[in-house]
Amino acid sequence: EPEVTQTPSHQVTQMGQEVILRCVPISNHLYFYWYRQILGQKVEFLVSFYNNEISEKSEIFDDQFSVERPDGSNFTLKIRSTKLEDSAMYFCASTGLTGYTFGSGTRLTVV
Amino acid sequence: DQQVKQNSPSLSVQEGRISILNCDYTNSMFDYFLWYKKYPAEGPTFLISISSIKDKNEDGRFTVFLNKSAKHLSLHIVPSQPGDSAVYFCAASVRGGSNYKLTFGKGTLLTVNP
Repeated sequence: EPEVTQTPSHQVTQMGQEVILRCVPISNHLYFYWYRQILGQKVEFLVSFYNNEISEKSEIFDDQFSVERPDGSNFTLKIRSTKLEDSAMYFCASTGLTGYTFGSGTRLTVV
Repeated sequence: DQQVKQNSPSLSVQEGRISILNCDYTNSMFDYFLWYKKYPAEGPTFLISISSIKDKNEDGRFTVFLNKSAKHLSLHIVPSQPGDSAVYFCAASVRGGSNYKLTFGKGTLLTVNP
């Protein structure tokens, strides 16, 4: 069964540093998303991406965040200057005719 | 702004019995509802969905019921199995094609005891 692959599974970074979270969506999907889940809280929508453009973003997705599809397979989330409150699980997802498929997530710990 | 609410943080059920997980929503624009199962250190796994034009959808042991007038949906698992123990998330969306964002509830931890 096709999967959404995320790397790394766990990232520890110093506050103020830049991080890039990577995702390989399902190959025939056209719509890509990032969600996050702070420990003990609900999964929250960050951004959706289609045709090399952001189609929708939430209030959480401020100027510190950016997304990119640098080639035909990868989809990345960059956090420019990490804060302690960015510590969370970050889930990539893609949608096609069969609906959403989520990756296993990257646990980001900002220290 | 809790547009999707799961008021029970946890539920414990005996193996073989029915598990009923509940979800309420406030946004009347939502027209597509989903249930996801999540294990620790994994992403949400799709279980079952329902469109607002239906009031029931069944898939094996899983049935989702939608009461639009009450803005309430529920997931029934019959019979419950120990492997069903996980966090269950209700999600809702305004679906206009293949590009739609999901609004999640906080989840309910289901424990099925052998």
